[in-house]
Amino acid sequence: NAGVTQTPKFQVLKTGQSMTLQCAQDMNHNSMYWYRQDPGMGLRLIYYSASEGTTDKGEVPNGYNVSRLNKREFSLRLESAAPSQTSVYFCASSLRGLSSYEQYFGPGTRLTVT
Amino acid sequence: GENVEQHPSTLSVQEGDSAVIKCTYSDSASNYFPWYKQELGKRPQLIIDIRSNVGEKKDQRIAVTLNKTAKHFSLHITETQPEDSAVYFCASKTPNFGNEKLTFGTGTRLTIIP
Repeated sequence: NAGVTQTPKFQVLKTGQSMTLQCAQDMNHNSMYWYRQDPGMGLRLIYYSASEGTTDKGEVPNGYNVSRLNKREFSLRLESAAPSQTSVYFCASSLRGLSSYEQYFGPGTRLTVT
Repeated sequence: GENVEQHPSTLSVQEGDSAVIKCTYSDSASNYFPWYKQELGKRPQLIIDIRSNVGEKKDQRIAVTLNKTAKHFSLHITETQPEDSAVYFCASKTPNFGNEKLTFGTGTRLTIIP
């Protein structure tokens, strides 16, 4: 089991460029999440998907779009990157149900927008 | 929406002493409170969690206590060791079927002094 994987690990973009961050999980989890982590700000939820075919906004969705391609994959797209989107991005997944709410995180993508 | 405050933001402790990190939450309906540990350059990982029907939970050197009346919960680490140095995040979850969103605190950087 690879758990949660993310690509790429690092990315540098110029202002206005677009890119898609990829995330996949092999744990048969229902729910998936995208967070950004900035110094002193903790983990802030960008978007989440409670199940295949559904997505909802989190705390900081502006400037981002997501696609839940299937149960395994959840991608995050920046249409026109801005310096304020420089951050570390984490994808996470969880098994929806009363038995466990644990979220499993991917290794992160460090994005710099110049 | 839910708001989670975490204190202190940084904490230095002599090796072998205890460390305590505190969080308060705003939504009295919140029913799940996990703690995540993030080592430098790594992904966050769950270390302990507690549900609202329990007042305290222990796992070896770590424990979490919950005071629902005061709406706060704390992480206690005893006999601290160098490998405990990391950033710790608290989080809370409000009950919402099919939605396992967590609201995270801003993190505490714990440094263990040898």
